[in-house]
Amino acid sequence: QSALTQPASVSGSPGQSITISCTGTSSDVGGYNYVSWYQQHPGKAPKIMIYDVSDRPSGVSNRFSGSKSGNTASLTISGLQAEDEADYYCSSYTISSSVAFGGGTKLTVL
Amino acid sequence: QVQLQESGPGLVKPSETLSLTCTVSGYSISSGYYWGWIRQPPGKGLEWIGLIHHSGSTYYNPSLKSRVILSVDTSKNQFFLKLSSVTAADTAVYYCARDLWHHAYWGQGTLVTVSS
Repeated sequence: QSALTQPASVSGSPGQSITISCTGTSSDVGGYNYVSWYQQHPGKAPKIMIYDVSDRPSGVSNRFSGSKSGNTASLTISGLQAEDEADYYCSSYTISSSVAFGGGTKLTVL
Repeated sequence: QVQLQESGPGLVKPSETLSLTCTVSGYSISSGYYWGWIRQPPGKGLEWIGLIHHSGSTYYNPSLKSRVILSVDTSKNQFFLKLSSVTAADTAVYYCARDLWHHAYWGQGTLVTVSS
């Protein structure tokens, strides 16, 4: 199965907003509302930030939001903070009854 | 609080079978949810391996399905991964996790190196 497509890197200054895209096909992102986003700091396990496209788990800051349009999902982080610097991965349920991950995006807070 | 902990050999020889155990605490596997495995080669992205329910229902990554067996032991509150015919490309940090289609709980991960 093909990985979902994410930009390799994005950057922003503290206080700004950034958006990370995740592009798939109608067989994954576009076909189901099972898109998730994970944050991963170096040497740590991933942490779920968004699930089911736009739902936020308890304890996750409301600065993180998710959306989807067609075959592309997006993660927006508002009010960027230094602690947000990490790798971000999207994932989606697929037509093969499996999960595909994106290649990951490195977020740099300038 | 649900906690997961991976365990198993850190070094496996090429062509052999990689075997890992995930021990769950704070929640009974037999109470529900799906339990799964994800891996991450050093310096690379995440790859989903598969999921298992205590009933035996499974879902697998199509690209790994022919080499993967997932199983569960509810009496020990553990679930297992077996990956056969390993090569250097299977060198990765292996994570166990909970939930179907998204993973809210993760283990800390265990590095498995495939080398002779």
